[in-house]
Amino acid sequence: DAKTTQPTSMDCAEGRAANLPCNHSTISGNEYVYWYRQIHSQGPQYIIHGLKNNETNEMASLIITEDRKSSTLILPHATLRDTAVYYCIVRARGSQGNLIFGKGTKLSVKP
Amino acid sequence: DTAVSQTPKYLVTQMGNDKSIKCEQNLGHDTMYWYKQDSKKFLKIMFSYNNKELIINETVPNRFSPKSPDKAHLNLHINSLELGDSAVYFCASSQDNVNQPQHFGDGTRLSIL
Repeated sequence: DAKTTQPTSMDCAEGRAANLPCNHSTISGNEYVYWYRQIHSQGPQYIIHGLKNNETNEMASLIITEDRKSSTLILPHATLRDTAVYYCIVRARGSQGNLIFGKGTKLSVKP
Repeated sequence: DTAVSQTPKYLVTQMGNDKSIKCEQNLGHDTMYWYKQDSKKFLKIMFSYNNKELIINETVPNRFSPKSPDKAHLNLHINSLELGDSAVYFCASSQDNVNQPQHFGDGTRLSIL
């Protein structure tokens, strides 16, 4: 079973920041937080991952709380092409595979 | 220059047939995976291979047999197809071990008539 909890759906206005929350209250010390997204009819796409520090790349920022029990994925300027299902996944360092996908959050970016 | 490519993209066949799905990655990764996404959109891992060796085999019927001729390829052969096998099958790859992200193909949509 997935070890994360995410809202089922969210809306965001085009050009605004999209903030997607994720709860992972049972996360252990060696587990990373990963974010993937799946645009309709495509394979999942890696976005970002982190352990305890905030991370930023060309796609998004990941903010992890100090107690690591929750995180937020931020898309700074959402576009219509960001409409997708976003998955928050915890995964132990060194584990071979075993990405356990939950139901994710369906983000709808509206004009 | 597709990173992870699967063929065919669509596969429609009848119950009882045997079919194969091919996957190739040109990323130089050591580990490859097969996932299944059912009609309810849940994505579940089926198999994982590292350097051509099986390392994960979730509870998958014996009718499913992965084959890895080399590190860049992981094919999925399915015998005696059943209605419940209808799904989208995704191949993925990653660098060996640690915490490297997985790169997915665009899926093969298998429909059993």
